[in-house]
Amino acid sequence: DVKVTQSSRYLVKRTGEKVFLECVQDMDHENMFWYRQDPGLGLRLIYFSYDVKMKEKGDIPEGYSVSREKKERFSLILESASTNQTSMYLCASSSPVALREQYFGPGTRLTVT
Amino acid sequence: QKEVEQDPGPLSVPEGAIVSLNCTYSNSAFQYFMWYRQYSRKGPELLMYTYSSGNKEDGRFTAQVDKSSKYISLFIRDSQPSDSATYLCAMPGAGSYQLTFGKGTKLSVIP
Repeated sequence: DVKVTQSSRYLVKRTGEKVFLECVQDMDHENMFWYRQDPGLGLRLIYFSYDVKMKEKGDIPEGYSVSREKKERFSLILESASTNQTSMYLCASSSPVALREQYFGPGTRLTVT
Repeated sequence: QKEVEQDPGPLSVPEGAIVSLNCTYSNSAFQYFMWYRQYSRKGPELLMYTYSSGNKEDGRFTAQVDKSSKYISLFIRDSQPSDSATYLCAMPGAGSYQLTFGKGTKLSVIP
């Protein structure tokens, strides 16, 4: 079974703090993704990575950066957290040779106060 | 027109009912389609997928594709309270790696 784990289930941070969200997958997948999910807006892609040290912007990259130093780990960084970044953050991974089905982690509920 | 549209619901049905969940899409090049299920406070999990050429049945779940109408459906027979979740359709996105997701339909099955 593919397992995608995220470093925290719930996180509360203050405005202006630098926030790190980490994601680890154990299936040797090349592709990894960060989404945020908000009521009424669905899943929105922030960034994705198709290889170590490679990254591509998704639909809403502003205010975020990412790091992928190892194949199994993909980090999302909020440089200076703002209240409008309060959301559920979901990490996913996939293999390019499969049907591109993505396997998701449990999510991190981030609240910025 | 958005690439994928899905009625957000919420949809509330009695236990045992047949449920129909639907998505429409705009890109006729899509070749296969997925349905994800997301329980409250959990990440989405792949429920089933189907190619554009036909339907697929898996237990109480049936996925259908109508290419001419660009319309896909997920049917749940004999719905159970454990089916209460948000269901998201997904299909290959613009890039080589991405999926395009519908916004999800929240389903509640009432005992």
